[in-house]
Amino acid sequence: GIQVEQSPPDLILQEGANSTLRCNFSDSVNNLQWFHQNPWGQLINLFYIPSGTKQNGRLSATTVATERYSLLYISSSQTTDSGVYFCAVVPYTGGFKTIFGAGTRLFVKA
Amino acid sequence: KAGVTQTPRYLIKTRGQQVTLSCSPISGHRSVSWYQQTPGQGLQFLFEYFSETQRNKGNFPGRFSGRQFSNSRSEMNVSTLELGDSALYLCASSFGQINTEAFFGQGTRLTVV
Repeated sequence: GIQVEQSPPDLILQEGANSTLRCNFSDSVNNLQWFHQNPWGQLINLFYIPSGTKQNGRLSATTVATERYSLLYISSSQTTDSGVYFCAVVPYTGGFKTIFGAGTRLFVKA
Repeated sequence: KAGVTQTPRYLIKTRGQQVTLSCSPISGHRSVSWYQQTPGQGLQFLFEYFSETQRNKGNFPGRFSGRQFSNSRSEMNVSTLELGDSALYLCASSFGQINTEAFFGQGTRLTVV
């Protein structure tokens, strides 16, 4: 089945710094989403981005479907950005089955 | 517009018991999918339902089952609980087409003792 790899696994930033999180996937996908998991466990939608580029405030994301990767950019990081960021894909083959990466754990220091 | 609602939020069960978790999707959404999150295995897909039909399932033993009702609400059941079933169980809802955005509930945290 499809493999979804996220990097880096862990990231520590000083408040105000910028960062790039990467998601590589091994096969074609119909769907790709980025989520932020809050300390209580809920997955918060960041981007629905099977292809192209989107921006929402300090966050932006780019998916290059033909090269099978997606990037999440966080600019001017804040302590509230801390948490785990997940990439999730729905493979082109295999039906309605969402596969998550292992996540990037981000800690932003004040 | 109300989000995805999962009940209960927390559960403590004893080994060997069975448990039922509930998920109410966003109004108008017809697809509900379930996931198990553990520190060791990460987020794993359990199954997906659309219009009361299971369209896909993950690699979990038969002790894990689910169903969807005509109002799109879904339940999942775990029978003969094992310690390893302790996890955060998340459900997500969407309109159901292959290329639509999914939204998650707050999860049910199950502890098996």
